[in-house]
Amino acid sequence: AQTVTQSQPEMSVQEAETVTLSCTYDTSESNYYLFWYKQPPSRQMILVIRQEAYKQQNATENRFSVNFQKAAKSFSLKISDSQLGDTAMYFCAFMKQSGYSTLTFGKGTMLLVSP
Amino acid sequence: KAGVTQTPRYLIKTRGQQVTLSCSPISGHRSVSWYQQTPGQGLQFLFEYFSETQRNKGNFPGRFSGRQFSNSRSEMNVSTLELGDSALYLCASSQGRPPLHTQYFGPGTRLTVL
Repeated sequence: AQTVTQSQPEMSVQEAETVTLSCTYDTSESNYYLFWYKQPPSRQMILVIRQEAYKQQNATENRFSVNFQKAAKSFSLKISDSQLGDTAMYFCAFMKQSGYSTLTFGKGTMLLVSP
Repeated sequence: KAGVTQTPRYLIKTRGQQVTLSCSPISGHRSVSWYQQTPGQGLQFLFEYFSETQRNKGNFPGRFSGRQFSNSRSEMNVSTLELGDSALYLCASSQGRPPLHTQYFGPGTRLTVL
């Protein structure tokens, strides 16, 4: 079974600053996907970024980038130039490549962006 | 493309009743997954359907069931509701096959059991 751990229950950052959210996971799988989702107060779960484990290059999406360390089983999310709209709960999630579309989520990190 | 839709958005039921939630996936998506979100347990996987077949099931009692129709729309049913079933129920759709496993979520159904 897979487990996902987010060790930071809450974080805060000021507008325009950079923040990094941590995520570690445990799996015996070789091929898998990793995701970051955000859930703002509206509770809508929104995909932020996705990483395929077989890719060496770290994924980036505009202000969002990841630091994927496969050997260390670490998958952190960096948010640059933080904006008030980034305030949300952020979930790290794991999915096996083989098999079915099933996500295993971490407990989440609440990020508060202040002016 | 329209996103994932879920109905109803809010439900209030009493213990012992049953409830049916509905999910319409993104057009062309054949996989629908259901998750339960509670403050105590976080996000937990309920089940996944692909082409009308349940492919995977989480660790929930038999009171939780689901189905998928030929148009990929899915329903989940909870019978004999308990207070602990109060939660946000999220539905997600995807193509269902690698490398297109990415799941896109609906807005959720907030179920309150009194």
